[in-house]
Amino acid sequence: EDKVVQSPLSLVVHEGDTVTLNCSYEVTNFRSLLWYKQEKKAPTFLFMLTSSGIEKKSGRLSSILDKKELSSILNITATQTGDSAIYLCAVDRGFGAGTRLTVKP
Amino acid sequence: DGGITQSPKYLFRKEGQNVTLSCEQNLNHDAMYWYRQDPGQGLRLIYYSQIVNDFQKGDIAEGYSVSREKKESFPLTVTSAQKNPTAFYLCASSPDWGVGGYTFGSGTRLTVV
Repeated sequence: EDKVVQSPLSLVVHEGDTVTLNCSYEVTNFRSLLWYKQEKKAPTFLFMLTSSGIEKKSGRLSSILDKKELSSILNITATQTGDSAIYLCAVDRGFGAGTRLTVKP
Repeated sequence: DGGITQSPKYLFRKEGQNVTLSCEQNLNHDAMYWYRQDPGQGLRLIYYSQIVNDFQKGDIAEGYSVSREKKESFPLTVTSAQKNPTAFYLCASSPDWGVGGYTFGSGTRLTVV
């Protein structure tokens, strides 16, 4: 059975801090790993990582795929209160439980 | 604009009733999915469809049923057999199953009264 595990489940930081969110997976036939940000309702797409694209960056957010360790990290630097959300990791059809990030002023 | 439309946004169901949640997409995506989200939890896969007239059970299919008679539509029925149906339901689609970014609908919040 495919499995996607995210850690930590919850994280509270202050503005300006840097955070690292983790996602590990066990899947039969890996094709892609995706990161989403969910603030209220529907998740919004952040990054897609594949065997041919293992590192992505957009502004203060960046993500790396470690195919050997079957994991990925999502880094957020200089956090802002607007970064407060649930961050979801998806591998193929399965999602992790998410990391709830709270950024305090 | 292309996207996914879920309706209704809020739905109240009496115990013992079946209810159907609508999901329509105009993205020409082959694959469609239904997920359930409970407070503090991630998305759990209920059913998915790789192509029209085909669908497969996900991780928590018991008490749910789906159909995929048209490429654009993937309705989810929550039956009376689902013992704890109160949750937030998200429909998603992707160009191909399991690959590439999902596009999500805005969700339906179902409450049993």
